[in-house]
Amino acid sequence: GNSVTQMEGPVTLSEEAFLTINCTYTATGYPSLFWYVQYPGEGLQLLLKATKADDKGSNKGFEATYRKETTSFHLEKGSVQVSDSAVYFCALSDLYNFNKFYFGSGTKLNVKP
Amino acid sequence: DAGVTQSPTHLIKTRGQQVTLRCSPISGHKSVSWYQQVLGQGPQFIFQYYEKEERGRGNFPDRFSARQFPNYSSELNVNALLLGDSALYLCASSYLRDKVGYGYTFGSGTRLTVV
Repeated sequence: GNSVTQMEGPVTLSEEAFLTINCTYTATGYPSLFWYVQYPGEGLQLLLKATKADDKGSNKGFEATYRKETTSFHLEKGSVQVSDSAVYFCALSDLYNFNKFYFGSGTKLNVKP
Repeated sequence: DAGVTQSPTHLIKTRGQQVTLRCSPISGHKSVSWYQQVLGQGPQFIFQYYEKEERGRGNFPDRFSARQFPNYSSELNVNALLLGDSALYLCASSYLRDKVGYGYTFGSGTRLTVV
């Protein structure tokens, strides 16, 4: 079946530090992969996505590359800001129902000034 | 343009009661999906509706049901509430049923507390 595993948090970094949040997945075939961000008291916002192997999704300085050989989609950012503090979710969409998403458990990021 | 709107934003119910949550999709979006997010976990898929028909169902008991109306808005109903039903319920809408991530947008959710 489909599942997503991401590193447990919280992750605490100082401003301008490098960020990596690991995400691996199990799926039949090659699903589309996503990173969502959730700020306190809010819903989910799409951060970036990749729809096929070797694709790189990027947005607001965040990047993630779809690696089929390692079934991974790690999130990276070169220099984090305090405003990046949030919970980050890795997700994949079902091959047979593209509106059915499987989410990881989330990684909370705390960025200190 | 208005995003996905959900109502109410918060509510408190007693065990055994029934609850109805509402979702209005973005204008033009015909697909609505529901997710349950328990505190500290990722969202879990409950239902998807497209053109007023159920197109997907997650691993939830029959106490959970939903429907979609001609204007594409949707309701999620939960009967015989349990303490474990306490969660943030998220609605997501999209334009096309089979286009990956096409305009897939989440609402801010309804926070349900069962006491």
